[in-house]
Amino acid sequence: DTEVTQTPKHLVMGMTNKKSLKCEQHMGHRAMYWYKQKAKKPPELMFVYSYEKLSINESVPSRFSPECPNSSLLNLHLHALQPEDSALYLCASSQGWGANTEAFFGQGTRLTVV
Amino acid sequence: QKEVEQNSGPLSVPEGAIASLNCTYSDRGSQSFFWYRQYSGKSPELIMFIYSNGDKEDGRFTAQLNKASQYVSLLIRDSQPSDSATYLCAVNINAGNTPLVFGKGTRLSVIA
Repeated sequence: DTEVTQTPKHLVMGMTNKKSLKCEQHMGHRAMYWYKQKAKKPPELMFVYSYEKLSINESVPSRFSPECPNSSLLNLHLHALQPEDSALYLCASSQGWGANTEAFFGQGTRLTVV
Repeated sequence: QKEVEQNSGPLSVPEGAIASLNCTYSDRGSQSFFWYRQYSGKSPELIMFIYSNGDKEDGRFTAQLNKASQYVSLLIRDSQPSDSATYLCAVNINAGNTPLVFGKGTRLSVIA
């Protein structure tokens, strides 16, 4: 089973809204990631959590706030987003963090900011 | 600057032919190499990974790695229209904890 589940699949939000994206995996993976992907571009790393601790923040604006409540869950809290933040948001997980570990992606959340 | 280069395509091949997708990387310390397939509007799906020099086969897919030339490729035998997608090459180096570096992807079109 290599399933990473993301909810919701689609989200439309206004610039003053607060919303959250959720990601769950039950593979016992200890590293979880948030990526942002714009059309016709590769995934762009936002955050990495390793053993429930934030390991990498790729200079992401504070309107994106990650949270890892436990080893199976990863959230991305959204507040005061801009239309240019509209994108496909991907969660991924891997057994470890570093080389020689395969990362598996969830189905993504298609976010539209209006 | 760690870079992963791919030809953006589109690469068009007739149904039944072999599709050859190429990827070069700049960091000689790179140790792990991954191929993801991404259909339009969908998330990337891991289809192959390779860690050692040489070939690795899985069904119709073969990954080839040449670390001396800093080159990794993906061959798809008996290409099908359902193989039409963007193929992303991703590389990880083995120097501590580092994230995957993605290429821009190659768009493959298999013509029936």
